[in-house]
Amino acid sequence: DTGVSQNPRHKITKRGQNVTFRCDPISEHNRLYWYRQTLGQGPEFLTYFQNEAQLEKSRLLSDRFSAERPKGSFSTLEIQRTEQGDSAMYLCASSSSIGEGRGNEQFFGPGTRLTVL
Amino acid sequence: AQTVTQSQPEMSVQEAETVTLSCTYDTSESNYYLFWYKQPPSRQMILVIRQEAYKQQNATENRFSVNFQKAAKSFSLKISDSQLGDTAMYFCASIYNQGGKLIFGQGTELSVKP
Repeated sequence: DTGVSQNPRHKITKRGQNVTFRCDPISEHNRLYWYRQTLGQGPEFLTYFQNEAQLEKSRLLSDRFSAERPKGSFSTLEIQRTEQGDSAMYLCASSSSIGEGRGNEQFFGPGTRLTVL
Repeated sequence: AQTVTQSQPEMSVQEAETVTLSCTYDTSESNYYLFWYKQPPSRQMILVIRQEAYKQQNATENRFSVNFQKAAKSFSLKISDSQLGDTAMYFCASIYNQGGKLIFGQGTELSVKP
């Protein structure tokens, strides 16, 4: 399978614990995006990388959230001291900046569903 | 603020009929991209159709077509010959800035009934 993969698919944790999610983009894609989706809503942008550089972060991304993309390949999203309000689906997407650039299709992964008890 | 609005939370259509989903957006940018994404129940989000704002011709992909009204900032999706597999959440989205982040609407849940 050469699509975007995310692990784990589901995560249940207790309030106050730290969690880390991983995203493996399509191999030739240099852009990687993280979004958060709550039930019944559209995804909201969190952050994006071009290669290994984190170029934009949403104000939604509090100090408890950190994302990395070492070597411009896979990415991790860590949430420290989780709160019940962090419960959501975390989506990763990747795209290429070549050609249409920002207009290129973003390919989404299956998401990681986080439940904070 | 740059926004995308979908005013129809739910819609239903009979199999083989045509349905139109509405979307409006707001931006001061002159060049941008608009998208419709489909999210089937418990499945991944996939792109349905894309429209570049600088192109006047409406995009078409098989049974899916858009009505892009730039002056009115409207971008509706028409699904012809609806199939049971079209049942999904549909999101209208836009890209305004160079980074390419998508701004999504609230979604329209479409049910295709046999």
